[in-house]
Amino acid sequence: NAGVTQTPKFQVLKTGQSMTLQCAQDMNHNSMYWYRQDPGMGLRLIYYSASEGTTDKGEVPNGYNVSRLNKREFSLRLESAAPSQTSVYFCASSGRISNTGELFFGEGSRLTVL
Amino acid sequence: GENVEQHPSTLSVQEGDSAVIKCTYSDSASNYFPWYKQELGKRPQLIIDIRSNVGEKKDQRIAVTLNKTAKHFSLHITETQPEDSAVYFCAATILGGAQKLVFGQGTRLTINP
Repeated sequence: NAGVTQTPKFQVLKTGQSMTLQCAQDMNHNSMYWYRQDPGMGLRLIYYSASEGTTDKGEVPNGYNVSRLNKREFSLRLESAAPSQTSVYFCASSGRISNTGELFFGEGSRLTVL
Repeated sequence: GENVEQHPSTLSVQEGDSAVIKCTYSDSASNYFPWYKQELGKRPQLIIDIRSNVGEKKDQRIAVTLNKTAKHFSLHITETQPEDSAVYFCAATILGGAQKLVFGQGTRLTINP
């Protein structure tokens, strides 16, 4: 039982390049999320997926796209990376409403855009 | 939308003393308030949470209090130990469907031996 797995763990991009962050969970959770973490700003929600087949914008969606490929997988794509997207990205998942509201996070992906 | 403010941004206490971190929220409809701990280079992990129908919750050395009228909640850590050193985040949301947590800015807690 790996929990939430995200790849890659580290990535360096040049401005304008594109990339996709992959996330998978094996807890049979309905909801999945992408957060970014910047110093002094906490964790900010980029996009989320309440259930398979649905995605919605969070607090800071500009410059990102997401795909809920199936119940297990939720990817985050940067089409044209900018230095402002240098950050640590966390994928997370949560269970059904009847369970706790706990988010289970992946280990994080550190992205640097030059 | 919801806005969560967290104070202080850094906190240093002597081992064995207590630490208190405070948060305020803006949306009176929020009914779920978790606290996450993030050790250096690690993922955030839930340490305690409270729902709006409860004023206080305790788990060993950790307690959380909620004042719905004032829209603020606090984390209390007693008898602090070196392993309590970490960044702590408060958050708020409305339970139901996806848990769209809005996080505070974080508090870096350092326990001095």
